[in-house]
Amino acid sequence: EAGVTQSPRYAVLQEGQAVSFWCDPISGHDTLYWYQQPRDQGPQLLVYFRDEAVIDNSQLPSDRFSAVRPKGTNSTLKIQSAKQGDTATYLCASSRDWVSAETLYFGSGTRLTVL
Amino acid sequence: GQQVQQSPASLVLQEGENAELQCNFSTSLNSMQWFYQRPGGSLVSLFYNPSGTKHSGRLTSTTVIKERRSSLHISSSQTTDSGTYLCALSNYGNEKITFGAGTKLTIKP
Repeated sequence: EAGVTQSPRYAVLQEGQAVSFWCDPISGHDTLYWYQQPRDQGPQLLVYFRDEAVIDNSQLPSDRFSAVRPKGTNSTLKIQSAKQGDTATYLCASSRDWVSAETLYFGSGTRLTVL
Repeated sequence: GQQVQQSPASLVLQEGENAELQCNFSTSLNSMQWFYQRPGGSLVSLFYNPSGTKHSGRLTSTTVIKERRSSLHISSSQTTDSGTYLCALSNYGNEKITFGAGTKLTIKP
Protein backbone atom coordinates (compact mmCIF):
# COMPACT_ATOMS: atom_id res chain seq x y z
CA GLU A 1 0.00 0.00 0.00
CA ALA A 2 1.12 3.59 -0.59
CA GLY A 3 2.55 5.42 2.41
CA VAL A 4 1.75 8.84 3.86
CA THR A 5 2.56 11.51 1.28
CA GLN A 6 3.53 15.07 2.16
CA SER A 7 4.37 18.10 0.07
CA PRO A 8 6.30 20.23 -0.38
CA ARG A 9 9.50 18.59 0.85
CA TYR A 10 11.13 21.93 1.70
CA ALA A 11 9.96 25.53 2.15
CA VAL A 12 11.94 28.70 2.78
CA LEU A 13 10.07 31.88 3.72
CA GLN A 14 10.61 35.38 4.97
CA GLU A 15 8.88 36.31 8.22
CA GLY A 16 5.29 37.32 7.64
CA GLN A 17 4.77 35.12 4.61
CA ALA A 18 2.16 32.37 4.45
CA VAL A 19 2.72 28.70 3.66
CA SER A 20 0.58 25.57 3.30
CA PHE A 21 1.53 21.97 3.84
CA TRP A 22 -0.39 19.11 2.31
CA CYS A 23 -0.80 15.53 3.53
CA ASP A 24 -2.34 12.46 1.91
CA PRO A 25 -2.70 9.69 4.53
CA ILE A 26 -2.79 5.96 3.90
CA SER A 27 -6.12 4.91 2.41
CA GLY A 28 -8.56 3.78 5.09
CA HIS A 29 -6.77 5.52 7.94
CA ASP A 30 -9.37 7.56 9.76
CA THR A 31 -7.01 9.31 12.20
CA LEU A 32 -4.57 11.94 10.96
CA TYR A 33 -1.97 13.84 13.01
CA TRP A 34 0.14 16.93 12.40
CA TYR A 35 3.35 17.26 14.42
CA GLN A 36 5.96 20.01 14.63
CA GLN A 37 9.53 18.83 15.19
CA PRO A 38 12.08 21.55 15.95
CA ARG A 39 15.70 20.61 15.32
CA ASP A 40 17.06 18.11 17.86
CA GLN A 41 13.70 17.75 19.63
CA GLY A 42 10.92 15.17 19.63
CA PRO A 43 7.75 15.69 17.59
CA GLN A 44 5.15 17.89 19.29
CA LEU A 45 1.48 17.38 18.48
CA LEU A 46 -0.25 20.33 16.85
CA VAL A 47 -3.62 18.85 15.91
CA TYR A 48 -5.29 15.56 15.11
CA PHE A 49 -8.44 14.53 13.26
CA ARG A 50 -10.72 11.57 13.25
CA ASP A 51 -12.27 11.59 9.81
CA GLU A 52 -13.09 15.27 9.13
CA ALA A 53 -13.52 16.26 12.78
CA VAL A 54 -10.84 18.02 14.82
CA ILE A 55 -10.38 16.00 18.01
CA ASP A 56 -7.63 18.04 19.66
CA ASN A 57 -6.09 21.30 18.48
CA SER A 58 -5.13 22.62 21.90
CA GLN A 59 -1.46 22.95 20.92
CA LEU A 60 -2.13 24.70 17.61
CA PRO A 61 -1.29 28.44 17.71
CA SER A 62 -4.74 29.46 16.56
CA ASP A 63 -3.86 33.03 15.71
CA ARG A 64 -1.59 31.95 12.87
CA PHE A 65 -2.03 28.22 12.29
CA SER A 66 -5.03 26.43 10.83
CA ALA A 67 -5.67 22.84 9.78
CA VAL A 68 -8.49 21.22 7.84
CA ARG A 69 -9.44 17.78 6.62
CA PRO A 70 -12.69 18.50 4.75
CA LYS A 71 -13.54 15.05 3.38
CA GLY A 72 -11.79 12.96 5.98
CA THR A 73 -8.96 12.09 3.62
CA ASN A 74 -6.32 14.70 2.64
CA SER A 75 -5.37 17.46 5.06
CA THR A 76 -3.84 20.92 4.82
CA LEU A 77 -1.91 22.75 7.53
CA LYS A 78 -1.48 26.48 6.95
CA ILE A 79 0.67 29.09 8.65
CA GLN A 80 -0.77 32.53 8.01
CA SER A 81 2.15 34.75 9.01
CA ALA A 82 5.29 32.76 9.64
CA LYS A 83 7.79 33.60 12.38
CA GLN A 84 11.40 32.50 12.78
CA GLY A 85 10.28 30.33 15.72
CA ASP A 86 8.18 28.27 13.30
CA THR A 87 11.35 26.89 11.75
CA ALA A 88 10.96 23.12 12.11
CA THR A 89 10.00 19.96 10.27
CA TYR A 90 6.24 19.44 9.97
CA LEU A 91 5.25 15.81 10.04
CA CYS A 92 1.97 14.20 9.09
CA ALA A 93 1.04 10.75 10.39
CA SER A 94 -1.96 8.49 10.05
CA SER A 95 -3.37 5.45 11.82
CA ARG A 96 -6.24 3.08 11.22
CA ASP A 97 -7.05 2.59 14.87
CA TRP A 98 -4.23 3.44 17.32
CA VAL A 99 -6.14 2.39 20.43
CA SER A 100 -6.65 -1.09 19.00
CA ALA A 101 -2.95 -1.73 18.39
CA GLU A 102 -2.70 -0.26 14.92
CA THR A 103 0.61 1.47 14.41
CA LEU A 104 1.32 5.04 13.39
CA TYR A 105 2.77 5.79 9.95
CA PHE A 106 4.66 8.98 9.12
CA GLY A 107 5.25 10.93 5.95
CA SER A 108 8.68 12.29 5.00
CA GLY A 109 7.87 15.70 6.44
CA THR A 110 8.17 19.28 5.22
CA ARG A 111 11.27 21.11 6.39
CA LEU A 112 10.38 24.78 6.93
CA THR A 113 12.94 27.54 7.31
CA VAL A 114 11.72 31.04 8.19
CA LEU A 115 14.35 33.71 7.63
CA GLY B 1 -1.39 15.19 30.68
CA GLN B 2 1.00 12.42 29.86
CA GLN B 3 4.69 13.16 30.54
CA VAL B 4 7.32 11.17 28.67
CA GLN B 5 10.99 11.11 29.65
CA GLN B 6 13.65 9.44 27.59
CA SER B 7 17.15 8.65 28.79
CA PRO B 8 19.91 9.06 28.10
CA ALA B 9 19.57 12.13 25.88
CA SER B 10 22.60 10.98 23.93
CA LEU B 11 24.75 7.87 23.86
CA VAL B 12 28.05 7.17 22.12
CA LEU B 13 29.24 3.58 21.77
CA GLN B 14 31.82 1.59 19.89
CA GLU B 15 30.58 -0.78 17.22
CA GLY B 16 29.73 -4.14 18.78
CA GLU B 17 28.66 -2.76 22.14
CA ASN B 18 25.10 -3.07 23.41
CA ALA B 19 22.77 -0.08 23.84
CA GLU B 20 20.00 0.31 26.41
CA LEU B 21 17.48 3.13 25.91
CA GLN B 22 14.78 4.03 28.41
CA CYS B 23 11.34 5.62 28.18
CA ASN B 24 9.49 6.56 31.39
CA PHE B 25 5.90 7.77 31.48
CA SER B 26 3.85 9.49 34.14
CA THR B 27 0.40 7.91 33.87
CA SER B 28 -1.13 4.65 32.78
CA LEU B 29 -0.81 4.00 29.10
CA ASN B 30 -2.90 2.33 26.47
CA SER B 31 -0.52 2.10 23.59
CA MET B 32 3.13 2.76 22.95
CA GLN B 33 5.51 2.57 20.03
CA TRP B 34 9.25 2.93 19.42
CA PHE B 35 10.48 4.82 16.34
CA TYR B 36 13.83 5.32 14.64
CA GLN B 37 14.77 8.54 12.87
CA ARG B 38 17.87 9.06 10.75
CA PRO B 39 19.12 12.70 10.61
CA GLY B 40 16.87 14.57 8.22
CA GLY B 41 14.74 11.49 7.76
CA SER B 42 11.24 10.47 8.64
CA LEU B 43 10.17 8.24 11.52
CA VAL B 44 10.16 4.50 11.03
CA SER B 45 8.26 2.24 13.39
CA LEU B 46 10.39 -0.32 15.24
CA PHE B 47 7.91 -1.81 17.72
CA TYR B 48 4.30 -1.42 18.76
CA ASN B 49 4.62 -2.67 22.33
CA PRO B 50 2.13 -1.57 25.02
CA SER B 51 3.17 -4.43 27.33
CA GLY B 52 5.57 -7.34 27.56
CA THR B 53 8.61 -8.10 25.44
CA LYS B 54 9.04 -8.13 21.69
CA HIS B 55 12.04 -9.07 19.56
CA SER B 56 13.12 -8.10 16.08
CA GLY B 57 16.60 -9.16 15.00
CA ARG B 58 19.09 -7.39 17.27
CA LEU B 59 16.36 -5.22 18.83
CA THR B 60 14.32 -6.03 21.95
CA SER B 61 11.58 -3.90 23.45
CA THR B 62 10.27 -4.45 26.97
CA THR B 63 7.37 -2.52 28.49
CA VAL B 64 6.50 -2.87 32.19
CA ILE B 65 3.26 -1.01 32.76
CA LYS B 66 3.22 -1.10 36.58
CA GLU B 67 6.73 0.39 36.63
CA ARG B 68 5.74 2.94 33.96
CA ARG B 69 8.73 2.27 31.77
CA SER B 70 9.68 0.84 28.43
CA SER B 71 13.16 -0.03 27.20
CA LEU B 72 14.78 -0.63 23.85
CA HIS B 73 17.83 -2.87 23.78
CA ILE B 74 20.15 -2.99 20.77
CA SER B 75 22.66 -5.80 20.82
CA SER B 76 25.94 -5.86 18.90
CA SER B 77 25.48 -2.31 17.66
CA GLN B 78 26.47 -1.30 14.13
CA THR B 79 27.34 2.10 12.67
CA THR B 80 24.07 1.98 10.72
CA ASP B 81 22.17 2.00 14.04
CA SER B 82 23.20 5.63 14.54
CA GLY B 83 20.28 8.03 14.69
CA THR B 84 17.56 9.13 17.09
CA TYR B 85 15.25 6.73 18.88
CA LEU B 86 11.87 8.03 20.02
CA CYS B 87 9.10 6.53 22.11
CA ALA B 88 5.47 7.57 21.67
CA LEU B 89 2.44 6.69 23.76
CA SER B 90 -1.17 7.46 24.58
CA ASN B 91 -3.47 7.05 27.54
CA TYR B 92 -6.46 4.72 27.80
CA GLY B 93 -9.27 5.59 25.45
CA ASN B 94 -7.24 8.36 23.91
CA GLU B 95 -5.68 8.67 20.48
CA LYS B 96 -3.59 11.69 21.50
CA ILE B 97 -0.04 10.44 21.00
CA THR B 98 2.79 12.06 22.95
CA PHE B 99 6.46 11.69 22.04
CA GLY B 100 9.56 11.76 24.18
CA ALA B 101 12.45 14.04 23.26
CA GLY B 102 14.45 11.09 21.96
CA THR B 103 17.84 9.46 22.51
CA LYS B 104 20.54 10.35 19.99
CA LEU B 105 22.66 7.25 19.44
CA THR B 106 26.07 7.42 17.79
CA ILE B 107 27.93 4.22 16.99
CA LYS B 108 31.62 4.68 16.22
CA PRO B 109 33.49 2.20 13.98
